[in-house]
Amino acid sequence: ETGVTQSPTHLIKTRGQQVTLRCSSQSGHNTVSWYQQALGQGPQFIFQYYREEENGRGNFPPRFSGLQFPNYSSELNVNALELDDSALYLCASSPGQGRGGYTFGSGTRLTVV
Amino acid sequence: RKEVEQDPGPFNVPEGATVAFNCTYSNSASQSFFWYRQDCRKEPKLLMSVYSSGNEDGRFTAQLNRASQYISLLIRDSKLSDSATYLCVVNALIQGAQKLVFGQGTRLTINP
Repeated sequence: ETGVTQSPTHLIKTRGQQVTLRCSSQSGHNTVSWYQQALGQGPQFIFQYYREEENGRGNFPPRFSGLQFPNYSSELNVNALELDDSALYLCASSPGQGRGGYTFGSGTRLTVV
Repeated sequence: RKEVEQDPGPFNVPEGATVAFNCTYSNSASQSFFWYRQDCRKEPKLLMSVYSSGNEDGRFTAQLNRASQYISLLIRDSKLSDSATYLCVVNALIQGAQKLVFGQGTRLTINP
């Protein structure tokens, strides 16, 4: 059984640029959630995708957007990067909108300079 | 007020000591509760779920008090390998979707 995989593992971007992070969900999981974890903080919920539609969003601006594909993999896009966007971005998949537990990927560490 | 609040830490204790973590949550409609463990520069991993009746897994005991909206984790006979950040987590419903709400985390270091 393949777990949740995220790419890239590390990324450095310049303020104002755009970034796309990718996540492959665990086999059999149709729900993907994205979290942002700043240094020294707990992960913060960005949004969740279920069957290719966003079905829950945290307190993040519209420049954070996402997609889910028919194979349930997902992308997180961030436009107009700011220095405060530097964080570990975690993807978690679940078999059914959070019911059945979550499996986390190892994350993408984004640094904005 | 934060949705989930934890002891700020950090905790530095000798090997073999008993360590207690406390956590409070603000959403009385929360339905599921967890403790996650996160090693340095790694993803969070589920340590244990927390039930109203209390539950134990080896050296780890978790308690939930719904009336006080309080969650605890007790680690007995601590080992060097218990060094990590412990995250109190509540499962909340937002726009019909479940989401995990994490506390800030408490860093634990077990010293030899």
